[in-house]
Amino acid sequence: DAKTTQPNSMESNEEEPVHLPCNHSTISGTDYIHWYRQLPSQGPEYVIHGLTSNVNNRMASLAIAEDRKSSTLILHRATLRDAAVYYCILRSLIKAAGNKLTFGGGTRVLVKP
Amino acid sequence: DADVTQTPRNRITKTGKRIMLECSQTKGHDRMYWYRQDPGLGLRLIYYSFDVKDINKGEISDGYSVSRQAQAKFSLSLESAIPNQTALYFCATSDKPPDVNEKLFFGSGTQLSVL
Repeated sequence: DAKTTQPNSMESNEEEPVHLPCNHSTISGTDYIHWYRQLPSQGPEYVIHGLTSNVNNRMASLAIAEDRKSSTLILHRATLRDAAVYYCILRSLIKAAGNKLTFGGGTRVLVKP
Repeated sequence: DADVTQTPRNRITKTGKRIMLECSQTKGHDRMYWYRQDPGLGLRLIYYSFDVKDINKGEISDGYSVSRQAQAKFSLSLESAIPNQTALYFCATSDKPPDVNEKLFFGSGTQLSVL
């Protein structure tokens, strides 16, 4: 399975943008890029996903490199409630059955007031 | 109220004891899953069910069993708990076929400690 690499932690100031990088150099053409986040004492929650084009939703934006070997989750204005561990995950179109989601170490985001 | 509820939130038990973790959901989803999370590691899939009476093994099913009694309920059992089953356990649900657009909804977790 293709692997993702994320920084262990990042800090941000409140109301500033946060750019969370994810490297996936072995991504295949059938792999979608998903992001989940895990707030303290909570289960993971879905954030966003995409294949090739950049994606936006109410929570965040996902910027995908042209070669798809990396992507960046963008939180436009970080709030204290955005402090969490953010996971970048690849989901194979071929292997989607069974939900073998592989959550790596993720990036712990600290938001300073 | 939470859409996916896990009980208990915390449990301490002894080696060899039988223990059951419960999961119930009000989302009306057909698909339910059990994961475990270990410190510094990601989530690993234990068992999953796509409908009542449908049970499938995940990547780490040894030592565990499950029961899908109704659409809304999915329980995880440890027949004879051992210390390396100490972990944070999550139940999750989803409503779409398992394709790349599927989103999982997780409960708040059960912290299990086996002494």
